[in-house]
Amino acid sequence: KAGVTQTPRYLIKTRGQQVTLSCSPISGHRSVSWYQQTPGQGLQFLFEYFSETQRNKGNFPGRFSGRQFSNSRSEMNVSTLELGDSALYLCASSLDYSYEQYFGPGTRLTVT
Amino acid sequence: SQQGEEDPQALSIQEGENATMNCSYKTSINNLQWYRQNSGRGLVHLILIRSNEREKHSGRLRVTLDTSKKSSSLLITASRAADTASYFCATVLQGAQKLVFGQGTRLTINP
Repeated sequence: KAGVTQTPRYLIKTRGQQVTLSCSPISGHRSVSWYQQTPGQGLQFLFEYFSETQRNKGNFPGRFSGRQFSNSRSEMNVSTLELGDSALYLCASSLDYSYEQYFGPGTRLTVT
Repeated sequence: SQQGEEDPQALSIQEGENATMNCSYKTSINNLQWYRQNSGRGLVHLILIRSNEREKHSGRLRVTLDTSKKSSSLLITASRAADTASYFCATVLQGAQKLVFGQGTRLTINP
């Protein structure tokens, strides 16, 4: 069974730009969660999608948004990038939020 | 703020020794999970223990859960260099549809 894939793996953007990250979950998994990981704040929950519906959202500004498609693939978007958005963005898929989560390798975003 | 807090934040031991990491949490949970992360990579699920379970084993891993103390521990026996990684506990809060991670314990196994 193929694992969770994330694209791109690395990204460098300039302040003020926007970025879209993509996540393909494990086949059969309908829950996709996104996390931001930084040295200072650790792993922070961004949002969780299940069958194209956002069920939960973390404490992030509205610049962070996401969506899930009918094939369970998910994207997250960050608009008007700030230096503090530099982080490792991790996507995880699971049968449901309370089950074990399978993580992708992450997208390393650097904002300059 | 994080739900879980791991202790210690960093642990360095000799290969072959046992490593114990602790996790405390604040509110009632459905289950507690442990994950491992090698430097800068995605997390790998290690073990899930439900709120009605007290102990669980998987290979060299042993996890205990004490809901009265709101704490869990992860024991890695006979450590190997490949166990060097950060270890995170994560909790599923009752009534919340999300997994909340602690800050992690950075484990270093010295050869």
